Amino acid sequence: EDQVTQSPEALRLQEGESSSLNCSYTVSGLRGLFWYRQDPGKGPEFLFTLYSAGEEKEKERLKATLTKKESFLHITAPKPEDSATYLCAVQYSSGSARQLTFGSGTQLTVLP
Amino acid sequence: EAGVTQFPSHSVIEKGQTVTLRCDPISGHDNLYWYRRVMGKEIKFLLHFVKESKQDESGMPNNRFLAERTGGTYSTLKVQPAELEDSGVYFCASSRDSNQPQHFGDGTRLSIL
Repeated sequence: EDQVTQSPEALRLQEGESSSLNCSYTVSGLRGLFWYRQDPGKGPEFLFTLYSAGEEKEKERLKATLTKKESFLHITAPKPEDSATYLCAVQYSSGSARQLTFGSGTQLTVLP
Repeated sequence: EAGVTQFPSHSVIEKGQTVTLRCDPISGHDNLYWYRRVMGKEIKFLLHFVKESKQDESGMPNNRFLAERTGGTYSTLKVQPAELEDSGVYFCASSRDSNQPQHFGDGTRLSIL
């Protein structure tokens, strides 16, 4: 069964303390890996799409990387406004299926 | 451009009643998806429309759930009759084509009493 596992479940950082979130997947035939940010009471907000191993994407303090088995979301010098739940989702190649398979998320808290 | 809009934001009904959720996708997005998160678990796929056609409904849990997208614009998801285990947050997402990122609405929080 295709699975997406995120770690850690929760992460508390001091402002300016860089760290990484992990997303490992067991799907065969990856079509794309997506990172979303979700604030309480809101829907997931799209951040990045990665399609192939070795690919990297950056946006402000966030950088996403992809290998054949996992993806990392690196947060450099985070600020309190970066506090949110970060979700990883995989879209796999299976005929016409385009559904996303989500991980359970990492709840990030950045303390001032 | 306006984002994905879902209505209502919250709904509280009793077991056995009927509820209809609505989703308005981003204008011009032919692809519309329904997902839900129940009991604090992961967000799970329900179904996928391309325009007015159901492309993939493999995630629909049972025949108490009926999704429609008449005219290829907004979509509705009806639960009839509602059961306790249907409680959760129902999200709608849309994309311009099936290879583009999916953009989500803020969800409908459904509580079955």
